[in-house]
Amino acid sequence: KNEVEQSPQNLTAQEGEFITINCSYSVGISALHWLQQHPGGGIVSLFMLSSGKKKHGRLIATINIQEKHSSLHITASHPRDSAVYICAVSSRYNNNDMRFGAGTRLTVKP
Amino acid sequence: DAGVIQSPRHEVTEMGQEVTLRCKPISGHNSLFWYRQTMMRGLELLIYFNNNVPIDDSGMPEDRFSAKMPNASFSTLKIQPSEPRDSAVYFCASRGDRELGGYTFGSGTRLTVV
Repeated sequence: KNEVEQSPQNLTAQEGEFITINCSYSVGISALHWLQQHPGGGIVSLFMLSSGKKKHGRLIATINIQEKHSSLHITASHPRDSAVYICAVSSRYNNNDMRFGAGTRLTVKP
Repeated sequence: DAGVIQSPRHEVTEMGQEVTLRCKPISGHNSLFWYRQTMMRGLELLIYFNNNVPIDDSGMPEDRFSAKMPNASFSTLKIQPSEPRDSAVYFCASRGDRELGGYTFGSGTRLTVV
């Protein structure tokens, strides 16, 4: 079993829909990261969080430490949100040791 | 700041040749990471440096891989000799103090070994 599991693997939505991507992890962490990788390949760090909730524009990330679960929400989705979203965790014992989920490929159709 | 700069963006080389990938981290960031991304295995940490010192290279797949960071503004990842299974996208990332937290990734180098 992978240390970081994401669901769904693929997601197709219509423009304007509310989107949720889930991440579960099985190891002790110091922080959880949400990354975005566009078709061109570049990776952008969206959020780093260790508790509660963070919001940036239409993106919201939440984490439940007790349940070892995080969600990434996108409100009013847009075709430009189409990308692969990757969940990653930094180890509790070494916060430079980052483990990655397999990613969720999101396609938002106009 | 121009961000983390990697070169080249694309590299096609023949099996057996030496390949050198380069990375310039963000000025002031004291940690630098090399990752490899493949379809089969996703993103994997190869090695990271803290204050130019290699801390953990347990992710380096074989002795054919080596990485250096001669100063705070430059790092290289070298593969010698290269093999077709090394074909992947190699990302460099840097990070500042814990309080700042987030990683900044370079655009990656797409390596194809034929």
